[in-house]
Amino acid sequence: EAGVVQSPRYKIIEKKQPVAFWCNPISGHNTLYWYRQNLGQGPELLIRYENEEAVDDSQLPKDRFSAERLKGVDSTLKIQPAELGDSAVYLCASSLGTGVEKLFFGSGTQLSVL
Amino acid sequence: GQQLNQSPQSMFIQEGEDVSMNCTSSSIFNTWLWYKQDPGEGPVLLIALYKAGELTSNGRLTAQFGITRKDSFLNISASIPSDVGIYFCAGQRNAGNMLTFGGGTRLMVKP
Repeated sequence: EAGVVQSPRYKIIEKKQPVAFWCNPISGHNTLYWYRQNLGQGPELLIRYENEEAVDDSQLPKDRFSAERLKGVDSTLKIQPAELGDSAVYLCASSLGTGVEKLFFGSGTQLSVL
Repeated sequence: GQQLNQSPQSMFIQEGEDVSMNCTSSSIFNTWLWYKQDPGEGPVLLIALYKAGELTSNGRLTAQFGITRKDSFLNISASIPSDVGIYFCAGQRNAGNMLTFGGGTRLMVKP
């Protein structure tokens, strides 16, 4: 069974440009998470979806970040415009329900903003 | 910001040695988890703890849920080169709440 798939693996952009990340969760997983991991730190939750509904987006910087999960499967996370401080690894994770022991992470997208 | 403090931040040990690392918080968590992250990959769950005082093993790994519910420990016995990576603790206050991650312990093993 395929795991959580993310693309691209790496992205290098100049500041003020837009960028988008894509995530395909494990089949059947209704809960999807986007985390940001800064260098040398643990992941921090940006947004959590239950099916197509964003149920926790309190940590998402809404002035420049947006996310969507159309049809409750794939999800995209967008930054517009990107700032230097947005350089980080963006991790997508999915689970069946909200049981944390069933949380599976993708390999992440490493973003570098120059 | 992160609320879980992990120590040590990094460790460089000889193959075969035992390793201990811990995670502390100023507030209570009702679930503690330990993850390992390899370079270029996402974290992978190693052990989940659900009850204060609980001691759980997974092969050479043993983790404990502190009695105060404000800390947790992870031990690795007889380390091997593939144990290299970053180990993260994570806590969850209640079912359905988000996970809070620690800053990680980077483990390096010399063959």
